[in-house]
Amino acid sequence: KQEVTQIPAALSVPEGENLVLNCSFTDSAIYNLQWFRQDPGKGLTSLLLIQSSQREQTSGRLNASLDKSSGRSTLYIAASQPGDSATYLCAVRLGGSYIPTFGRGTSLIVHP
Amino acid sequence: EAGVAQSPRYKIIEKRQSVAFWCNPISGHATLYWYQQILGQGPKLLIQFQNNGVVDDSQLPKDRFSAERLKGVDSTLKIQPAKLEDSAVYLCASSLGISLGQNYGYTFGSGTRLTVV
Repeated sequence: KQEVTQIPAALSVPEGENLVLNCSFTDSAIYNLQWFRQDPGKGLTSLLLIQSSQREQTSGRLNASLDKSSGRSTLYIAASQPGDSATYLCAVRLGGSYIPTFGRGTSLIVHP
Repeated sequence: EAGVAQSPRYKIIEKRQSVAFWCNPISGHATLYWYQQILGQGPKLLIQFQNNGVVDDSQLPKDRFSAERLKGVDSTLKIQPAKLEDSAVYLCASSLGISLGQNYGYTFGSGTRLTVV
């Protein structure tokens, strides 16, 4: 059974810092990995989708990398802003499975 | 494009009552998912539809939960009777497809926050 772990569970940083959020998974035979953002009381907003054949994806200040062999993905947030405060979740879809498995998320607070 | 629509946004009911949630996916998305997210945890898949057929409902508590997707578009999720532990956010998501040759991401709605008292 695929297990997805996100570290740290919570993070509080001053504005302007560069951040790294981690997602690890136990089964490396993944199909894709997706990073989401969730604001309090809201649904999930997709940030980046990485296919199994890709090593990274970039969108604005966000960069997500994927290392299947080590079972890890990182989400890099450059020059963090208070508006980045949210919970960040990763979801892993195994090859041959239709069901993505979510981690518990990293709760990020960026203070001015 | 319009997003995934869910209603209601909030619902408070007493235990043993029944409740229903509604989801309208993105137009053209064949696959629809219902997730349960308990506070502090990641979403857990309850049921997955491909058009109007069920792909996976292995984690759906079928003694009290039911879901349908008539005509392969809108979907409803029902809980009857509700228990205190059903308090959670219920998220609906949709995707273009699920076959192994298709590698699509998921789009989520805003969710319905259910409180059972």
